[in-house]
Amino acid sequence: AQRVTQPEKLLSVFKGAPVELKCNYSYSGSPELFWYVQYSRQRLQLLLRHISRESIKGFTADLNKGETSFHLKKPFAQEEDSAMYYCALIGGTSYGKLTFGQGTILTVHP
Amino acid sequence: DGGITQSPKYLFRKEGQNVTLSCEQNLNHDAMYWYRQDPGQGLRLIYYSQIVNDFQKGDIAEGYSVSREKKESFPLTVTSAQKNPTAFYLCASRGGNINSGELFFGEGSRLTVL
Repeated sequence: AQRVTQPEKLLSVFKGAPVELKCNYSYSGSPELFWYVQYSRQRLQLLLRHISRESIKGFTADLNKGETSFHLKKPFAQEEDSAMYYCALIGGTSYGKLTFGQGTILTVHP
Repeated sequence: DGGITQSPKYLFRKEGQNVTLSCEQNLNHDAMYWYRQDPGQGLRLIYYSQIVNDFQKGDIAEGYSVSREKKESFPLTVTSAQKNPTAFYLCASRGGNINSGELFFGEGSRLTVL
């Protein structure tokens, strides 16, 4: 079975502060991990995937297989980062089944 | 304008009635998905389809049914057997290889059972 856990339902930071959204997963094989974001009144959309090892909108995420984590980080949060963030996983044998975590609402205060 | 279209956006239903939510895509994607979004529970997979005329149960399929007669369409029926149907429903599609994680989502349908 594959599972994704986001321990924080709500996260508040001030503009310019670092932010880290936590994501832990359980999967017996080698998963692919993703972060999705939903801004107010917009559709849920892909933010980044671990396999690309890219930075999107200043966010990065490193897959740590030892700790089974895929935390999302940004060194200096902006007000426009306020949104709902979902961590998601696909396993090699899941035939395209994407499993999402519970989501974290990030609020960046001015 | 390409994308995923869900309808209706808002739907009210009386207990004991079935209701069908529409999902159409013009992205030429093979795979389509239905998720349910509840506060504090994230997105939970109801059904998914990798190809026309084929679909699989997700994690919470009880009380729901789907069909995939056309590539473009993946309607979801919420039956009277679904014990807690009031929720926000999201449809998505995926192109590319089977483990490409990029899903394209619709705007969602909010169902309220009165």
